[in-house]
Amino acid sequence: DVKVTQSSRYLVKRTGEKVFLECVQDMDHENMFWYRQDPGLGLRLIYFSYDVKMKEKGDIPEGYSVSREKKERFSLILESASTNQTSMYLCASSLGLGSGELFFGEGSRLTVL
Amino acid sequence: QKEVEQDPGPLSVPEGAIVSLNCTYSNSAFQYFMWYRQYSRKGPELLMYTYSSGNKEDGRFTAQVDKSSKYISLFIRDSQPSDSATYLCAMKNSGNTPLVFGKGTRLSVIA
Repeated sequence: DVKVTQSSRYLVKRTGEKVFLECVQDMDHENMFWYRQDPGLGLRLIYFSYDVKMKEKGDIPEGYSVSREKKERFSLILESASTNQTSMYLCASSLGLGSGELFFGEGSRLTVL
Repeated sequence: QKEVEQDPGPLSVPEGAIVSLNCTYSNSAFQYFMWYRQYSRKGPELLMYTYSSGNKEDGRFTAQVDKSSKYISLFIRDSQPSDSATYLCAMKNSGNTPLVFGKGTRLSVIA
């Protein structure tokens, strides 16, 4: 089974802190994605990557950056956390960008105080 | 107009009921249509995957796509309390582009 592991299920950070959310997949998938999920707004794509060291902006990249130094690992970085970044963050991977089958992690609930 | 519209619910039905979940979309280039199920405090998981128009059945679940009306549906027969979850529709065109998700419908099946 494909496993997408997000390092932290729950985090509490202070405004202005730098935050790292880590995601690792174990199925040699080419593509990885970061979403945030908020009530009433659904899933919104922040960034995605279709290859090592490659990244593409999604719908809401402002305030975020990403890093993909190895194929299996995709990190989301909040350079200076703000309260409006309090959310559920979901990482996903897929075999190819043309694939509609995403495998999601269990999510990281971030609270910024 | 949003690319994908989905009624957020919540939808509450008695056990054994037939459930109908729906999405409409505006982009006629969409060709691949998916339904994801998300249990509370979990990530979404793929439930059904269909290409172009028509029906697909898997056990108690049937996915329907009507491209002429830009409308997709998920039917759940003999609904069970274990079906209680949020259901998200998703779709994409044939190119190398990410999925476009609906906002999800929260379903509760009451025993």
